[in-house]
Amino acid sequence: SQKIEQNSEALNIQEGKTATLTCNYTNYSPAYLQWYRQDPGRGPVFLLLIRENEKEKRKERLKVTFDTTLKQSLFHITASQPADSATYLCALDPGTGGSYIPTFGRGTSLIVHP
Amino acid sequence: DAGVIQSPRHEVTEMGQEVTLRCKPISGHDYLFWYRQTMMRGLELLIYFNNNVPIDDSGMPEDRFSAKMPNASFSTLKIQPSEPRDSAVYFCASSLQGGTLYGYTFGSGTRLTVV
Repeated sequence: SQKIEQNSEALNIQEGKTATLTCNYTNYSPAYLQWYRQDPGRGPVFLLLIRENEKEKRKERLKVTFDTTLKQSLFHITASQPADSATYLCALDPGTGGSYIPTFGRGTSLIVHP
Repeated sequence: DAGVIQSPRHEVTEMGQEVTLRCKPISGHDYLFWYRQTMMRGLELLIYFNNNVPIDDSGMPEDRFSAKMPNASFSTLKIQPSEPRDSAVYFCASSLQGGTLYGYTFGSGTRLTVV
């Protein structure tokens, strides 16, 4: 069956370090993958989208990689700040069956300590 | 644009009552989605519309759930009768061209508690 895996344990890092979050998937052939940020009591906020033919995409302090061989995406936040503390969700489209509406992972909580 | 607007923000109702959740998408967006989020199951797609037409409602858990989009600026999700297991945060999201360009824009959600 199709599965999206994000680490359920919170990632704790010190301010200024690079945070790296992982999204693994099985039985998907996604055409694209998205990353969202969600703060408590709020809806997810779109951050980045990367397509299957793109290896890497950057936006300010954010970087996303997409390895379709490993079936994995990595999400990096460089020079992390306490304000980056939130839950980060990946979403990927099914890639088959004509529907390209993405499915979301459960998210990983990031805690940046000052 | 004020973003995707959902109402109410919180709803507490008794089991068996009808609940209606409302959503105003971003003007110009042609897709609208209803999601439910719980600790156990994460974010689940319930139904989505394209140009006001329901496209896929396979995520709607039961016949107790129904959704409408009478025009491009308004959608409702109705639960009748409500049950305690329906307690969750319900999100509405909208997008341009299915989100393949700029992702989805989510509302702030409606936290539903059925007692």
